[in-house]
Amino acid sequence: ETGVTQTPRHLVMGMTNKKSLKCEQHLGHNAMYWYKQSAKKPLELMFVYNFKEQTENNSVPSRFSPECPNSSHLFLHLHTLQPEDSALYLCASSQDINTGANEQFFGPGTRLTVL
Amino acid sequence: GQNIDQPTEMTATEGAIVQINCTYQTSGFNGLFWYQQHAGEAPTFLSYNVLDGLEEKGRFSSFLSRSKGYSYLLLKELQMKDSASYLCAVVDSNYQLIWGAGTKLIIKP
Repeated sequence: ETGVTQTPRHLVMGMTNKKSLKCEQHLGHNAMYWYKQSAKKPLELMFVYNFKEQTENNSVPSRFSPECPNSSHLFLHLHTLQPEDSALYLCASSQDINTGANEQFFGPGTRLTVL
Repeated sequence: GQNIDQPTEMTATEGAIVQINCTYQTSGFNGLFWYQQHAGEAPTFLSYNVLDGLEEKGRFSSFLSRSKGYSYLLLKELQMKDSASYLCAVVDSNYQLIWGAGTKLIIKP
């Protein structure tokens, strides 16, 4: 049990669908992250929230829309995705940002397939 | 640009020792992490190094040389459950984590 949960674990959607991924952390952390993990590629940081405020948006297409209603919950809203968006989407949390020893705790991920 | 290099895949025998290398070129350095990720599961923290030298934690050890831009993860007395991907990540000058693509370690009986 890592203290970070994600739902759903698996999602298959068509290119015209709208869906949302949910992440919840039970660790009392202040920062939350969305990553994309594709096979044999480095983790790609998508969004960072610190105290509910977005601090990073690494040139992510607008078809991905994050939402952070409080420090414990993070959503990723998906709309008109492309097949190349198929990947494992990982959520993580950490106590703070802008420190070196900033261990991130990961959720199990959502395996997304776009048809 | 920023770059983290680690081997794509390694194979080792149960009970043996394996060393997974990681070299990096980043804008600044504020530490290096190793994570373990079993297939279909979350990455989990193994170690953090910010000073040169070897840090030992049970069967796993992590080494860092900042002058060489180099780290390795040493796994001793390999067990079948050590079959996983091992991710190297460097904290750059902006405290961003720069990730390697991971090394898939296969343990054979």
